[in-house]
Amino acid sequence: TVLTQSPGTLSLSPGERATLSCRASQSVSSSFLAWYQQKPGQSPRLLIYSTSTRATGISDRFSGSGSGTDFTLTISRLEPEDFAVYYCQQYGASSWTFGQGTRVEVK
Amino acid sequence: QVQLVQSGAEMKKPGASVKVSCKASGYTLNRYAMHWVRQAPGQTLEWMGWINAGNGNIYYSKDFQGRVTITRDTSANTAYMELSSLRSEDTAVYYCARGSHYMDVWGKGTTVTVSS
Repeated sequence: TVLTQSPGTLSLSPGERATLSCRASQSVSSSFLAWYQQKPGQSPRLLIYSTSTRATGISDRFSGSGSGTDFTLTISRLEPEDFAVYYCQQYGASSWTFGQGTRVEVK
Repeated sequence: QVQLVQSGAEMKKPGASVKVSCKASGYTLNRYAMHWVRQAPGQTLEWMGWINAGNGNIYYSKDFQGRVTITRDTSANTAYMELSSLRSEDTAVYYCARGSHYMDVWGKGTTVTVSS
């Protein structure tokens, strides 16, 4: 399953809302869709799993939604620490794939 | 505190093999599955394979089948990933990551550079 994220880059200001899209080439179980955040020089950090469940310690500014082939990560009000690259990831048939990432940068 | 401590950076020549270790602390290794994921410079994350919890079944990405070997030593609470027949395109940061359908704890990564 190929995951296509859009846009490639999102230029926003702190306090604005960010909406990131992840589209799958075939249907993905909502239990098997996750989102990660990665900052330069750091490992990825789990944000959301099972489409909409926040990982431990993740701010409620982050929310996930979607089903089938279309999934969304929303950051309600961007904080300075939220500018990073975000990846979606799916599991299916004993295989895991990641999207190509969306970079959220300061406008 | 749960963490994954990976081995240090490696520099290899084309055709060689590299073995990266990932020591789990704060939990028992075989109670959770472990993935290996790599990231080439400026690129996205690429799943390589995983070793299941409990029974230790191993699954590899088709993209690495035949070149990658994932193992674990439960007595050392450590997982390993060996990649053979290295080429320049294998230059990347290699991560171990705990989890099943998603990955909740990641190591800091091991940089592998392949160059003649």
